[in-house]
Amino acid sequence: EVQLVESGGGLVQPGGSLRLSCAGSGFTFSSYWMSWVRQAPGKGLEWVANIKQDGSEKYYVDSVKGRFTISRDNAKNSLYLQMNSLRAEDTAVYYCARAAMVRVIDYWGLGTLVTVSS
Amino acid sequence: EIVMTQSPATLSVSPGERATLSCRASQSVRTNLAWYQQKPGQAPRLLIYGASTRATGIPARFSGSGSGTEFTLTISSLQSEDFAVYYCQQYHNWLWTFGQGTKVEIK
Repeated sequence: EVQLVESGGGLVQPGGSLRLSCAGSGFTFSSYWMSWVRQAPGKGLEWVANIKQDGSEKYYVDSVKGRFTISRDNAKNSLYLQMNSLRAEDTAVYYCARAAMVRVIDYWGLGTLVTVSS
Repeated sequence: EIVMTQSPATLSVSPGERATLSCRASQSVRTNLAWYQQKPGQAPRLLIYGASTRATGIPARFSGSGSGTEFTLTISSLQSEDFAVYYCQQYHNWLWTFGQGTKVEIK
């Protein structure tokens, strides 16, 4: 069974940093593009970042470019999101997701809540 | 950035009735369009990809159509478990965007 389990969320002050982790199991982690998608409280879905199987390609939504970094460790079946210079508008549930071969999300984690507030 | 616009924002439908949801892209995404369903407190679930292909385990009452910039998700006969928020998503490249969602509520 495919499982994605996020961790690392919490309360952080504006301008602070946080690192999210996602542990994948039940599939060959190194064979898939992986993604982060977020959802602000009561709002819609927003794609954040994608990373290729070997980490050689990374893509970001404009609003996080230069502040967030997606990375992975295939030996540990883990995906990461380093978030710096956090803003109030980054407050959201952050979902780890697996991109199927056809480039859509076929599995999602349960999400981890990040709250940016003083 | 490709902007995805969904309409209507809210759709009130009686159980057993048909629901039609629309999604428009600001530029052509060919058939690189997916639909997701999200219920409160849950992660989204993939319904349709390639504009019209049902994902594994999705009932036949869900169907998708369209190409280019105009897309439709149709639920032929709404069941109680179908009341949820639906999102379209383009994946024309690896820079994805979602629509703002359509909430399907009980009339």
